[in-house]
Amino acid sequence: GQQVMQIPQYQHVQEGEDFTTYCNSSTTLSNIQWYKQRPGGHPVFLIQLVKSGEVKKQKRLTFQFGEAKKNSSLHITATQTTDVGTYFCAASFGNEKLTFGTGTRLTIIP
Amino acid sequence: DAGITQSPRHKVTETGTPVTLRCHQTENHRYMYWYRQDPGHGLRLIHYSYGVKDTDKGEVSDGYSVSRSKTEDFLLTLESATSSQTSVYFCAISEAAGNTIYFGEGSWLTVV
Repeated sequence: GQQVMQIPQYQHVQEGEDFTTYCNSSTTLSNIQWYKQRPGGHPVFLIQLVKSGEVKKQKRLTFQFGEAKKNSSLHITATQTTDVGTYFCAASFGNEKLTFGTGTRLTIIP
Repeated sequence: DAGITQSPRHKVTETGTPVTLRCHQTENHRYMYWYRQDPGHGLRLIHYSYGVKDTDKGEVSDGYSVSRSKTEDFLLTLESATSSQTSVYFCAISEAAGNTIYFGEGSWLTVV
């Protein structure tokens, strides 16, 4: 089946530093979604990107979809302790169910 | 949060016993999913359903079966639980394939 690679697997940052996680596919995507899972919680939808080169922002979070629609990134500016959790990308390869990346677990050092 | 209820939320069972996890939704979404989550593996799809009595296998379906007799209910059964099935199980729903997925709160299963 289709796969999407997500890196890094883990990221430890000092509070106030920036954080970025990346998702890559060898196949063109229809859209890509991002989810956040707090420790002990369940994944929660953050955003969906559909258009080539699309950039969306949610406060300190910036989401990008590559021009070729094969990669995406999530960037957090000036991390806070509330950003702790695991971030997943989920890729759509057409009219098929989503394929999740393995996630990036973010920990914040106060 | 979407109207998804999983039961039980926590269960400890012995190796070789059957276990059924239940998922109930109030959103009338067509698609329902069962995922398991283990450290280092992210979310892995076990089975999914695209309608009443319409189900298909995911990437880690061995040892699991599912049933969907009503739109709102999706059952996951471990016929004979093994220690490797100790995991957190998430039920999820979506209106269509590729659409936003809404997750339940999870069921923590320990097989001893």
